[in-house]
Amino acid sequence: ILNVEQSPQSLHVQEGDSTNFTCSFPSSNFYALHWYRWETAKSPEALFVMTLNGDEKKKGRISATLNTKEGYSYLYIKGSQPEDSATYLCASTNTGGFKTIFGAGTRLFVKA
Amino acid sequence: NAGVTQTPKFQVLKTGQSMTLQCAQDMNHNSMYWYRQDPGMGLRLIYYSASEGTTDKGEVPNGYNVSRLNKREFSLRLESAAPSQTSVYFCASSALETGSYEQYFGPGTRLTVT
Repeated sequence: ILNVEQSPQSLHVQEGDSTNFTCSFPSSNFYALHWYRWETAKSPEALFVMTLNGDEKKKGRISATLNTKEGYSYLYIKGSQPEDSATYLCASTNTGGFKTIFGAGTRLFVKA
Repeated sequence: NAGVTQTPKFQVLKTGQSMTLQCAQDMNHNSMYWYRQDPGMGLRLIYYSASEGTTDKGEVPNGYNVSRLNKREFSLRLESAAPSQTSVYFCASSALETGSYEQYFGPGTRLTVT
């Protein structure tokens, strides 16, 4: 069983601040790394899926990087807005593709 | 296009009762999954189905059974509910057969076992 660790557990920032979260995962049998955004009372929505070492993905003010050799990924949010408040989940899929292990998430609170 | 739907949204059971959680997707995905989500923990995989007619255990399968009725539907059954199964249950699907690992989640079922 993979262990996916996310830090910090929660984060409080002011509107306009830039922030980043960390996800670490075992690099053996790695196939894909996912980031999901999960708003309260809704279901998780995919932000990025990355497979290659050095991958960088960007969607608006949010971006992510992947280092498969050392087993970590960073999620960056530039100029946080109150609507960015959510839990950000990281998940790692092993080779074969079916067993995806999720981290416990980073809960982001953005204060206006 | 409804995506992934789940029923019921809420359920309260007494210890020992049985029930089936229903999940359906209209995206023609081959792969479907059942997760449970507990406070302070990530989503944990209960069972998955790589394709119609196949199911496999995930991380926490004990106390659950599943059925992949057809390509659209994947149900989760609790034969004899226990308080430890109080959780929020999410169904998801993905198109792994196309090389896409992105999972699409349903709205969740909040289950309380007393």
